This record gives sequence, structure tokens and C-alpha cells, in this order.
Amino acid sequence: GAVVSQHPSWVICKSGTSVKIECRSLDFQATTMFWYRQFPKQSLMLMATSNEGSKATYEQGVEKDKFLINHASLTLSTLTVTSAHPEDSSFYICSASTAGAAYEQYFGPGTRLTVT
Amino acid sequence: GQNIDQPTEMTATEGAIVQINCTYQTSGFNGLFWYQQHAGEAPTFLSYNVLDGLEEKGRFSSFLSRSKGYSYLLLKELQMKDSASYLCAVLDSNYQLIWGAGTKLIIKP
Repeated sequence: GAVVSQHPSWVICKSGTSVKIECRSLDFQATTMFWYRQFPKQSLMLMATSNEGSKATYEQGVEKDKFLINHASLTLSTLTVTSAHPEDSSFYICSASTAGAAYEQYFGPGTRLTVT
Repeated sequence: GQNIDQPTEMTATEGAIVQINCTYQTSGFNGLFWYQQHAGEAPTFLSYNVLDGLEEKGRFSSFLSRSKGYSYLLLKELQMKDSASYLCAVLDSNYQLIWGAGTKLIIKP
């Protein structure tokens, strides 16, 4: 149980375009979803926390107009990287929690984004 | 500020034992997690400690000392598949996960 999927697993896009990444909880209802970014050889960096039906809470330094997060249902959250630039190339990972907190997170497999 | 420290890289031999240390300074403490992350993959949960002492789970054990702000992950009977990064993360007083940079463990035959 507690499976989280992400789609796509990898994507290459051109600079200036937008990319949408989906995160789904397959066998449970996720009241809270977390979006992380990880650069090579670095730790996970929390970008934002989203609760179903409400606006996401972004971490300091993360541009909410650039990284659009929609948590429209208890099983789906999306992250849209708008006007992507090469520096946005990274490994994006989502996680989901039923507890409404970071206590118990189930991670998706991640999405490798490369912006050319 | 909040800080998690763990060694950047460690090397061990197949069949041996390795201990990966983690020290933390955080605003409050609601538990410490260890995750395993293979290259290009998402982290997978290994252990959670909130009370002092040793938690054993098969070949992996995790130890916590809250007074010292210290934890370690002990891996026994190392296998080649254990080559991965091991992430230490602390749940602070706001129930936010604070992540360490991870320890890359290299297993040699």
C-alpha cells in the first residue's frame, strides 16, 4: 500500500516552454502533498506543501508564479514549471501524506527535468 | 539556524559492517528518519526514531541520542545493492522535515 506515482519520469523541454508534472497517490487519499527539488549531489529541498483544495505554501526563495502547484483532488497534485530555463533542470520529487504533516511521507519515483 | 551533518561519502567492503553518523541542531525535535536513495531514484524509508536507543530492523539498525543530537545508521552484512546515498532527516517543532545532504556509501567487493 501507500504507492505514489509521478508522470513523466523524465522530460526534456526547450527553454521558455512550460512543463507539467503529475503526482498521484494510487491507493490512499493524500490530504497533503509535498514537492521537492534535488540537484546533483545535494539534499532534497522542499519547494512547497499543498493541501487538497487550498493554495500551496511555498518555501522561502521559491517563486510561486514560476512553479505552479495545483492540488485539486485527494489523489492528484500537479507542478507546472513555467517558462523553464536551463537552471530549472533538476530532479523533482513529490511525496504524499495522509497525516497532514511531514511525519509520514510516501515518495514518488521522481521526475528528471532537463531544459535545453 | 537548523543544521544536519553527515559525512559526504563512505566506502566499505561487501560483507562488512558500516556506521553512518548524523548530528543535528534543530528548532525542536519530533523524530529522526533515515532514508535510502539510489542514484536517480526517490528516497525510500528505512527507519524512524523518536526515543533514545537502538531500533533494529533486519540488517539495518538505527540509534538515537536526543541529548547529544546524534544518530547513526548501522548496516550489517553489506551487499553490493546497499551502494546508495543515505539521508538523515529530522522532524522539527513545526513538523517540517529538515534534510541532511546525504552520505554516499560505496560498497567494494
